[in-house]
Amino acid sequence: DTGVSQDPRHKITKRGQNVTFRCDPISEHNRLYWYRQTLGQGPEFLTYFQNEAQLEKSRLLSDRFSAERPKGSFSTLEIQRTEQGDSAMYLCASSLAFSPYEQYFGPGTRLTVT
Amino acid sequence: AQTVTQSQPEMSVQEAETVTLSCTYDTSESDYYLFWYKQPPSRQMILVIRQEAYKQQNATENRFSVNFQKAAKSFSLKISDSQLGDAAMYFCAYRSAVNAGNMLTFGGGTRLMVKP
Repeated sequence: DTGVSQDPRHKITKRGQNVTFRCDPISEHNRLYWYRQTLGQGPEFLTYFQNEAQLEKSRLLSDRFSAERPKGSFSTLEIQRTEQGDSAMYLCASSLAFSPYEQYFGPGTRLTVT
Repeated sequence: AQTVTQSQPEMSVQEAETVTLSCTYDTSESDYYLFWYKQPPSRQMILVIRQEAYKQQNATENRFSVNFQKAAKSFSLKISDSQLGDAAMYFCAYRSAVNAGNMLTFGGGTRLMVKP
């Protein structure tokens, strides 16, 4: 297993466009987390899944943000009508659903909105 | 809500010397975990060390050790015999042991520079 992977690694988009990012977790991990990291800051939690169920989404930044994990494997994070303030690194992490719940992070997708 | 504070935006250490990174946190919970993560430039975040709040003994991983002061809500990271590869952003993080989501709450980070 090569760990958590994310695609694309970099995305440049114009304001108002929609973007979608993909995360592939470690295969046996049934929890998947999304975080956002702005420049010079620590990651900020957005949402998480256990298998295909999205169990926490109140921290998504606005209704322009949505996430799915349709078959309990990979996940997608979509941002509609992007704004310049959405420019950030979007990190995905996965873990087992039992102690110690260790989260393993992917390399992130860097989004630049022009 | 829990908060994590790292008061040192940048730290510098000479190669082979020891450096301590500070972290304080605020919580009303008694059962939780604390972590230090390392984020090298343009590379993914990796776990350095973990501390369970119910354990009085400070965690140690090779050259990395912590000083966990539960009453003071302090969790510092000591790096001994610093190496050039230790240069990175270091993030302190908190995770509840009772919250169903177990999401991580991160501090703002400390950039560690290692001088040859």
